[in-house]
Amino acid sequence: DAKTTQPNSMESNEEEPVHLPCNHSTISGTDYIHWYRQLPSQGPEYVIHGLTSNVNNRMASLAIAEDRKSSTLILHRATLRDAAVYYCIPYFGNEKLTFGTGTRLTIIP
Amino acid sequence: DTGVSQNPRHKITKRGQNVTFRCDPISEHNRLYWYRQTLGQGPEFLTYFQNEAQLEKSRLLSDRFSAERPKGSFSTLEIQRTEQGDSAMYLCASSLLAAGTQYFGPGTRLLVL
Repeated sequence: DAKTTQPNSMESNEEEPVHLPCNHSTISGTDYIHWYRQLPSQGPEYVIHGLTSNVNNRMASLAIAEDRKSSTLILHRATLRDAAVYYCIPYFGNEKLTFGTGTRLTIIP
Repeated sequence: DTGVSQNPRHKITKRGQNVTFRCDPISEHNRLYWYRQTLGQGPEFLTYFQNEAQLEKSRLLSDRFSAERPKGSFSTLEIQRTEQGDSAMYLCASSLLAAGTQYFGPGTRLLVL
């Protein structure tokens, strides 16, 4: 499994954009980059995933470096409901998600 | 809402007792996963099923743990002779596609006294 490095914690002001970085320098060529988040007292939930190109959905955007060794999850306008632990997970074909310790995002009102 | 459900949500037991947790996946999802999460850590994979077949088990799943998925629908996770180290959140997830998005339930929080 590819090793990932994420900041332990980040803070952001409400209604401002948030950029959550992830380094995954040992990622294999076939691994997609998945992001999940876990709100307090809940199970993880899927946020977004991508392979090479930047991706957008209703929750967030994912910017993937050209060499694929890093990616950034972008929340365009953070709300208090976005306070969660965010996990970056390289994933392909082996059926099991390997979670690290993630980044705990705090939103300041 | 027909998401993944888990029961019970909380369980307190004494060391040495047996406990059983249930997971009901999203209907039509043929893949079902169990994870364990301890405080401050991310979830760790325990095992997964494709339909009724248990296809992979983590080394974390000791002989005291057993999981079943009869008829390929709901699943149960049993822990025999519980130990204090078993205290954790047990999460269930389901998926429709191989290596697809996993949808998690709210978890069962186990406390072993």
